[in-house]
Amino acid sequence: QVTLRESGPALVKPTQTLTLTCTFSGFSLSTSGMCVSWIRQPPGKALEWLALIDWDDDKYYSTSLKTRLTISKDTSKNQVVLTMTNMDPVDTATYYCARIDYGSGSYFSSANFDYWGQGTLVTVSS
Amino acid sequence: DIQMTQSPSSLSASVGDRVTITCQASQDISNYLNWYQQKPGKAPKLLIYDASNLETGVPSRFSGSGSGTDFTFTISSLQPEDIATYYCQQYDNLPPLFTFGPGTKVDIK
Repeated sequence: QVTLRESGPALVKPTQTLTLTCTFSGFSLSTSGMCVSWIRQPPGKALEWLALIDWDDDKYYSTSLKTRLTISKDTSKNQVVLTMTNMDPVDTATYYCARIDYGSGSYFSSANFDYWGQGTLVTVSS
Repeated sequence: DIQMTQSPSSLSASVGDRVTITCQASQDISNYLNWYQQKPGKAPKLLIYDASNLETGVPSRFSGSGSGTDFTFTISSLQPEDIATYYCQQYDNLPPLFTFGPGTKVDIK
C-alpha cells in the first residue's frame, strides 16, 4: 500500500526558508522508475508543479521557481525534502508530494501522479 | 513552457447529464495528457492517463480522448459524487516538466 505524508511548518515569515518533508511508504526511491514530486495549490487556485527527484538522484525544477527550490532525498528514511527560499505571502498554499512511477525506468514513458499525500497548508505572514 | 487552457471554467448540470470538458495545449503534446478529480479539501485523484486510459478502479462513466493540442474529458452520466474540480495536466519527457490546466468546477444543478 502506497502512502505519502507531508510535514512542515504551518506558518513561515516573509524572507524565511521553508523546509517540507515527504515521508512515504509502499515503494522505494531506489527502484528504477520511481520519482517523487512536489506540487502546490494556493487557496482557491490551480495546481502548480514545483520539483521532481528520481531514482537516480536526478533533480528537476519548475522553470519559474528553480532559483528558489532544492529537492533532496534520504532513501534509507523514505523521505524527500523540499526547501524553498525567500518565502513571500504569494507562496501561501497547500503543498503536496506525489509519486510518479516510470515503470520502464525511462522518462520516455507514461508519467502521471498516481499517489498523493493529503497536503500541508503553509501560510506566509509576518 | 507549454500552456494549458480548459473550458468551461465552471459548469452546472443535472444528475444523469453528459458532461464534457475541453483542454487545449499551446503546442502539440501528443497524448501526454492526464486528468485529475479534486474534491474540496482533498488531494487530486488520477482518473485518466495518456489522454484516454482509465486508471484502475475509476468508474467507466469517466472517459478521455484527443491528441496533439485538443483533448476532451467526459462524464457520461453525472452522479452526485462527481461534484469536484477537474484538472488536465500535460507532461514533457526530458527534462520532465509538468503543467496543470486552470481547472473546471462541476456542480449539480
